[in-house]
Amino acid sequence: AQSVTQLGSHVSVSEGALVLLRCNYSSSVPPYLFWYVQYPNQGLQLLLKYTTGATLVKGINGFEAEFKKSETSFHLTKPSAHMSDAAEYFCAVSVGGGADGLTFGKGTHLIIQP
Amino acid sequence: KAGVTQTPRYLIKTRGQQVTLSCSPISGHRSVSWYQQTPGQGLQFLFEYFSETQRNKGNFPGRFSGRQFSNSRSEMNVSTLELGDSALYLCASSLSMGYYGYTFGSGTRLTVV
Repeated sequence: AQSVTQLGSHVSVSEGALVLLRCNYSSSVPPYLFWYVQYPNQGLQLLLKYTTGATLVKGINGFEAEFKKSETSFHLTKPSAHMSDAAEYFCAVSVGGGADGLTFGKGTHLIIQP
Repeated sequence: KAGVTQTPRYLIKTRGQQVTLSCSPISGHRSVSWYQQTPGQGLQFLFEYFSETQRNKGNFPGRFSGRQFSNSRSEMNVSTLELGDSALYLCASSLSMGYYGYTFGSGTRLTVV
């Protein structure tokens, strides 16, 4: 079975600083990887996804992530944090045609300091 | 283009009762998945429907069931509610199963008292 580990349940950065949210996965078959964001009292919004092809994936709101198979990682980055980026971020993996749906990490709460 | 619509947004039920939650997917999307989100367990996959058939199921008891109609709308039912069923229930739709990425609704917040 696949699994996802997000390092750091809370990450705090200053406005304008680099955002780095870490995600490592475990899968015996090639995974499809996703990052979602959740604002309070709302559902999940897809930021970006990796399926096949280019390992550097660009998403919405200036976020990007790089799939590194050798490190089983899919870290999310943004060059300059905005106050509006404060939210909960979830990394997810899907394998085997989605037989087990999406498997999510526990989430990382991103705090932006003014 | 309308997003995924879940009704109701909030629900309070008593232990032992049953509840039905509704999800209308994005027009043209044929796959509907359901997830349970709790502070302790995080986001957990319940089941996925495609073309009115349950294709995948997570590790939940039989009290949790669902169905999908010919217009792709889906309902989820929980019978004999327990306090531990209190959670945010999220519905997600996709063009097809698997790797296309899922669009989530805002969820139904269920509180069992």
